Amino acid sequence: AQSVTQLDSQVPVFEEAPVELRCNYSSSVSVYLFWYVQYPNQGLQLLLKYLSGSTLVESINGFEAEFNKSQTSFHLRKPSVHISDTAEYFCAVSDLGSARQLTFGSGTQLTVLP
Amino acid sequence: NAGVTQTPKFRVLKTGQSMTLLCAQDMNHEYMYWYRQDPGMGLRLIHYSVGEGTTAKGEVPDGYNVSRLKKQNFLLGLESAAPSQTSVYFCASSYGTGQGLYEQYFGPGTRLTVT
Repeated sequence: AQSVTQLDSQVPVFEEAPVELRCNYSSSVSVYLFWYVQYPNQGLQLLLKYLSGSTLVESINGFEAEFNKSQTSFHLRKPSVHISDTAEYFCAVSDLGSARQLTFGSGTQLTVLP
Repeated sequence: NAGVTQTPKFRVLKTGQSMTLLCAQDMNHEYMYWYRQDPGMGLRLIHYSVGEGTTAKGEVPDGYNVSRLKKQNFLLGLESAAPSQTSVYFCASSYGTGQGLYEQYFGPGTRLTVT
């Protein structure tokens, strides 16, 4: 069975500061990894994904995440955050065998302060 | 395209009442899912469907039933609501083949309160 741990439930950060949201997963097999973002009162939107290839993946709005197999981590980073990045962020994992199921972490609320 | 839509957006039920949540997608996706979201617990999979006429249990299926009579619709039913089913319910869908299978598209959610 897989599990996903998001180490921080709340991350407050000032505008234009860097941020890292941490995600660790537990799986004995190869996995696909995802970050989803949820803005207030909305559904989840895919932010970025790692399926194969380069271990560093980027999103269109400046976030990046690095897959680290040895540390079983997929931390999300942004060098300079904006007020509009305030949202809840979910890390998720799917192993190649059970493609229909995503296992989600408990979420990290990112609050960007002016 | 509307994407994934959910009906209703809000609902209040009394213990023991029944209701059906409707999910519709216009992207011709094969796979559809129902999740519940509770504070501090992320999203948990209730039931899913890999195609029209098929359904399967997820992580937390007890107290819920589902049906997928048409490819574009996925219904979630609560036969006898309990306060423990107070939650926000999300529907999602994805392609059935290739790497697109792993990207799920979510609806806006239904906030259900059971008193």
